[in-house]
Amino acid sequence: SQQGEEDPQALSIQEGENATMNCSYKTSINNLQWYRQNSGRGLVHLILIRSNEREKHSGRLRVTLDTSKKSSSLLITASRAADTASYFCATDTNAGKSTFGDGTTLTVKP
Amino acid sequence: ETGVTQSPTHLIKTRGQQVTLRCSSQSGHNTVSWYQQALGQGPQFIFQYYREEENGRGNFPPRFSGLQFPNYSSELNVNALELDDSALYLCASGARTEETQYFGPGTRLLVL
Repeated sequence: SQQGEEDPQALSIQEGENATMNCSYKTSINNLQWYRQNSGRGLVHLILIRSNEREKHSGRLRVTLDTSKKSSSLLITASRAADTASYFCATDTNAGKSTFGDGTTLTVKP
Repeated sequence: ETGVTQSPTHLIKTRGQQVTLRCSSQSGHNTVSWYQQALGQGPQFIFQYYREEENGRGNFPPRFSGLQFPNYSSELNVNALELDDSALYLCASGARTEETQYFGPGTRLLVL
């Protein structure tokens, strides 16, 4: 079974709006990472947050981690059509052996 | 671009055949992990190689095997192909001391 589960499964917003995706996981982790995937191609690493961190920013991305609730959220601010993609969270218990959820499909309408 | 390349990009095989997929890691990376991603699902960890030895395996049968070469390139071999093996196969390279891994563009395998 998957360690991480993203919510919602699909999200459709207008350009300029913010998009929030959530991820829940089951066991203790070393870190949690978010990836983007365009049209079934390779995964692009977006951001990593360690288990002792609560919030991290990278450009228009903000990630939070709540280890007590075993959950994380990814916020994309001022979304653009180019942000249309699938977004996955992945948890690492050992480096390089990531456990992925089934992703959130984001559609940003121009 | 991550510097990780995979070949071929697409492949069609028939049930029962064998297939070899290849991955070339980013320079300086000494670990290679392979993932299977079925349509509409997230990637599932197959196994990881470090210093040419298997260093962890997911819930995949022995007909999935791999190799890592001294130049840190890698192969994924799948024997006795089944229809359910149809998927996108992703390799990811990384450094043993770092947490981030970098994915290649994937090989899409279709088993008929």
